[in-house]
Amino acid sequence: DAKTTQPPSMDCAEGRAANLPCNHSTISGNEYVYWYRQIHSQGPQYIIHGLKNNETNEMASLIITEDRKSSTLILPHATLRDTAVYYCIVRATNTDKLIFGTGTRLQVFP
Amino acid sequence: DAGVIQSPRHEVTEMGQEVTLRCKPISGHDYLFWYRQTMMRGLELLIYFNNNVPIDDSGMPEDRFSAKMPNASFSTLKIQPSEPRDSAVYFCASSLRVLGKNIQYFGAGTRLSVL
Repeated sequence: DAKTTQPPSMDCAEGRAANLPCNHSTISGNEYVYWYRQIHSQGPQYIIHGLKNNETNEMASLIITEDRKSSTLILPHATLRDTAVYYCIVRATNTDKLIFGTGTRLQVFP
Repeated sequence: DAGVIQSPRHEVTEMGQEVTLRCKPISGHDYLFWYRQTMMRGLELLIYFNNNVPIDDSGMPEDRFSAKMPNASFSTLKIQPSEPRDSAVYFCASSLRVLGKNIQYFGAGTRLSVL
C-alpha cells in the first residue's frame, strides 16, 4: 500500500471548516483513499473514501486532486466532538488490510 | 445492529497468566480483524479472517499469541503466557466486502494491563 503523509496536529475553531490534508504521491491507479478517525478511548470510525471523484456524505467531504497525489478531508462545521486523530489510508482493491499511520490530531476549540 | 462487541472492556492480569479476549462481529460480515494499539507502535494489524479462515497472521508478534474464529459470530485472541509488554488496547473490527469496498467497523476495544 502507498504511504501517506499527514501533519501531526491541527487546530480549528468550533463552527469553522476543518481541512485536513494528506499526501499520497505514490498512489496507484487501483488504490482508494480512506479516512478514519479515532476519538479518545474509542475504536477507529470510518468517515469516507474515494477513488478519483470528490465524495460527500453526512460526515464530511473528500476532495482528491486530479493527479490523485493528495487529498483533503473537509469537516464543514467542526464541533468539539470532532476532536480526534484522523487517519488517511490508501488501500488497493485487491487487499483487505488497512495500514494505519500516525494520523493528524485535530483539536477543535471553542 | 449493536455493532462489534468486545469483552472484557478492561483486563488486568499478572505476568505469566493466560489472557483471552473475545469479539462478536456484526452479523452478516465476512471479515474479522484483530488490531493492537500502543503509544509506541500505534495501531497494528495482528491477524484477519475471511469466512472464519485466517488469511494473514503476519502481524502476530510471536507464538504466545493465537487467534481463532470457530464460527461467523465469535472470535478469540489468546495470549499465553502474557508479558508486561503485551499491555495495550486490543481492537476487533469486522467488515463486509461489497464491490471492492471493505469498510471496517471497530469495537470499543479491550484495555489489557499485564503486571
